[in-house]
Amino acid sequence: SQKIEQNSEALNIQEGKTATLTCNYTNYSPAYLQWYRQDPGRGPVFLLLIRENEKEKRKERLKVTFDTTLKQSLFHITASQPADSATYLCALRSNKFYFGSGTKLNVKP
Amino acid sequence: GAVVSQHPSWVICKSGTSVKIECRSLDFQATTMFWYRQFPKQSLMLMATSNEGSKATYEQGVEKDKFLINHASLTLSTLTVTSAHPEDSSFYICSAEDRLKNTIYFGEGSWLTVV
Repeated sequence: SQKIEQNSEALNIQEGKTATLTCNYTNYSPAYLQWYRQDPGRGPVFLLLIRENEKEKRKERLKVTFDTTLKQSLFHITASQPADSATYLCALRSNKFYFGSGTKLNVKP
Repeated sequence: GAVVSQHPSWVICKSGTSVKIECRSLDFQATTMFWYRQFPKQSLMLMATSNEGSKATYEQGVEKDKFLINHASLTLSTLTVTSAHPEDSSFYICSAEDRLKNTIYFGEGSWLTVV
């Protein structure tokens, strides 16, 4: 079955820096991969989708890359702000949706 | 605004009673909806996939008689926790797939506390 790995350790960075989160997966490559943000006690919120034939996708301060050779996606937040502090989940779809366990990002002022 | 509505957002019930949680897609038709539970500081755990007009597909270890799922229309799926016990207390989240946009939208979640 498909397995998704995200760094379980929290990522602590200083405001203004770029945060980079990693998502690795096993087995066959999905048609697309998604990133979500989840705040405590709330449902996840969709951020970005990147397809297997896309290397990079941008949305405002967010950037996602997709390397099907490495079986890895990187999620970047540039000029990070304390309001960006949350847990970020990656998800992929093969026969069904699989979610990573998420990485908690703490942006310190 | 929200495209998936989940209700109630929180509920407290007595042990042994049943609780129903609704999940509605507001702006699109969802042939597939998903139900998750999440314990504090843990990841989402998929419980079942709800298919409109057919039986739900349950993940391994999830009791289908305990967690009844009904997907009677293209915009509504319900999860009923039957004979609830304190260990069923958790955060339950639904999501619905918008196939036209290849996107999953999540509800705001429902906090269930069984006392």
